[in-house]
Amino acid sequence: QQQVKQSPQSLIVQKGGISIINCAYENTAFDYFPWYQQFPGKGPALLIAIRPDVSEKKEGRFTISFNKSAKQFSLHIMDSQPGDSATYFCAASFYTGTASKLTFGTGTRLQVTL
Amino acid sequence: GAVVSQHPSRVICKSGTSVKIECRSLDFQATTMFWYRQFPKQSLMLMATSNEGSKATYEQGVEKDKFLINHASLTLSTLTVTSAHPEDSSFYICSANKVEDTQYFGPGTRLTVL
Repeated sequence: QQQVKQSPQSLIVQKGGISIINCAYENTAFDYFPWYQQFPGKGPALLIAIRPDVSEKKEGRFTISFNKSAKQFSLHIMDSQPGDSATYFCAASFYTGTASKLTFGTGTRLQVTL
Repeated sequence: GAVVSQHPSRVICKSGTSVKIECRSLDFQATTMFWYRQFPKQSLMLMATSNEGSKATYEQGVEKDKFLINHASLTLSTLTVTSAHPEDSSFYICSANKVEDTQYFGPGTRLTVL
């Protein structure tokens, strides 16, 4: 019930295209859903995050769509660029009063081709 | 900003020695810090959660006597890998809570045990 399922495992998109990564969860206690971008040999960097009281959040070329009833959320990268080539992780957490532990998806390796 | 640093970025040590990794939040105070381990092409695995001034909470299966965590202040946590062996070789990443559930990650430390 603590799992976050992420798909696809890898994705190849042409420059200028839309990259879409999907995640699904079971635990309805999750109330915070961030996306992280990780380049090889580096730590994950927070991209964008959403709470379940909104269905969509947009920051620049990155958009999170959230479907509370389906327990699914997705990341859309508009106008994908070669510099977006990285591994993307979705995650979910809930605050226990002392800490929020993130449960990560398995990751999606995105390659944006010229 | 929310900057988290780690030191060292890379360390190579001989089997049987101990290695200390530092994690600092540079521009904010973090009540909670987290330590993760990441194997090549895999997701992040939470090892432990540490709160300033109290004992760390370890995830199931993580040996607390092997991975010693000290959270000395609101800006510093350390992970000591004791009596390291080749199977401890991995990418270790820390993160820190800035506000309730937002975690900011350090750049990671690559540990190689010979």
